[in-house]
Amino acid sequence: DTEVTQTPKHLVMGMTNKKSLKCEQHMGHRAMYWYKQKAKKPPELMFVYSYEKLSINESVPSRFSPECPNSSLLNLHLHALQPEDSALYLCASSQDMGLQIPYEQYFGPGTRLTVT
Amino acid sequence: AQKVTQAQTEISVVEKEDVTLDCVYETRDTTYYLFWYKQPPSGELVFLIRRNSFDEQNEISGRYSWNFQKSTSSFNFTITASQVVDSAVYFCALSDRNSGNTPLVFGKGTRLSVIA
Repeated sequence: DTEVTQTPKHLVMGMTNKKSLKCEQHMGHRAMYWYKQKAKKPPELMFVYSYEKLSINESVPSRFSPECPNSSLLNLHLHALQPEDSALYLCASSQDMGLQIPYEQYFGPGTRLTVT
Repeated sequence: AQKVTQAQTEISVVEKEDVTLDCVYETRDTTYYLFWYKQPPSGELVFLIRRNSFDEQNEISGRYSWNFQKSTSSFNFTITASQVVDSAVYFCALSDRNSGNTPLVFGKGTRLSVIA
């Protein structure tokens, strides 16, 4: 089963709202990722969790706050976002971070976020 | 520095035509991995293939084939007898030990439209 699920599929939020995006995988993967993708652009890496610890933070603004409650779940907490944060947010997982042998990442369907 | 170039921004073909998507990469590492992902309009990135730098054999999977040529730093992707369901954005990506904090370096993607 190579499935990564994400909820919600769509989210509209105001700049003062607090919301969370959720991601789940049951493949036993130990690395999980958050990406941001703007229209007609490739995905941009935001965060990487490896064995439930934050391993990479690509200088993401603090209004995005990741959380990895356990090895299967990954959350992205959103607060005081700006309209330019509107994008497709993709979650992915891989066997592990694979610093020597990179493993393929499996992606979820994404959450399409609109900030008004 | 690592870089992936997909020079074709958009390609349009008629159903049943063959189409080749180009990918040229740059890396200083002798050990690296190349990937192709498909992103249909639904948004989810679908893993297609992973190839390491020591394996130059071409790969065929159904209507899909990949031509890896280290001499020209290219990893091209051919779809034979294209179908409407092949319409998507295709991303080529690179991972090497010099990727540092970015496990995957994506190209900008090629949007393929297959017309019935």
